Amino acid sequence: AQKVTQAQTEISVVEKEDVTLDCVYETRDTTYYLFWYKQPPSGELVFLIRRNSFDEQNEISGRYSWNFQKSTSSFNFTITASQVVDSAVYFCALSERKGGNQFYFGTGTSLTVIP
Amino acid sequence: DAGITQSPRYKITETGRQVTLMCHQTWSHSYMFWYRQDLGHGLRLIYYSAAADITDKGEVPDGYVVSRSKTENFPLTLESATRSQTSVYFCASSESGRFQETQYFGPGTRLLVL
Repeated sequence: AQKVTQAQTEISVVEKEDVTLDCVYETRDTTYYLFWYKQPPSGELVFLIRRNSFDEQNEISGRYSWNFQKSTSSFNFTITASQVVDSAVYFCALSERKGGNQFYFGTGTSLTVIP
Repeated sequence: DAGITQSPRYKITETGRQVTLMCHQTWSHSYMFWYRQDLGHGLRLIYYSAAADITDKGEVPDGYVVSRSKTENFPLTLESATRSQTSVYFCASSESGRFQETQYFGPGTRLLVL
């Protein structure tokens, strides 16, 4: 079973629109971490955020915000006023305490921001 | 400060040939990882290493060999490349490998097996 599901394979938005990327995870562990990575067209993987299972406070960093809801096992990522530079593939990942150093990645969401 | 580098960045090889992908990190991180990225699968762990001379299998280890004689290097070898190993390969590292630590990734190697 997929531990991390990113149901949106591809999303296209027009510049300046807001967009939310969904991430749903599955774990029986009570202690875990969630991550978001960005993969721009150049191909590298860039770390964006890390959130632990005990901290459900939403986080905002500039135009980026993350909504963590344990009740729905979701860790969604919103980009406000999208820009062309936001065009990338975004990956959500899960690591569990019982899983040691194993990261479970979703299949990624490809975001295209149209100018 | 290079961080984590991979070489080559692009490689074309033929079925049956041996290929070695290199990974080098300058952070003195204990843990290093190899992933492959395929459409529809995200990233999957091939092998990881907790320290020099300590390696272990990940989710998809078949057809791959790793070694780690020095902390900073973690080469991945395809002993006899197959077309199914055409992929993008990422090396990553983390300070101590604990589950709460961020893994930092190299730029990737695009491998095409003909």
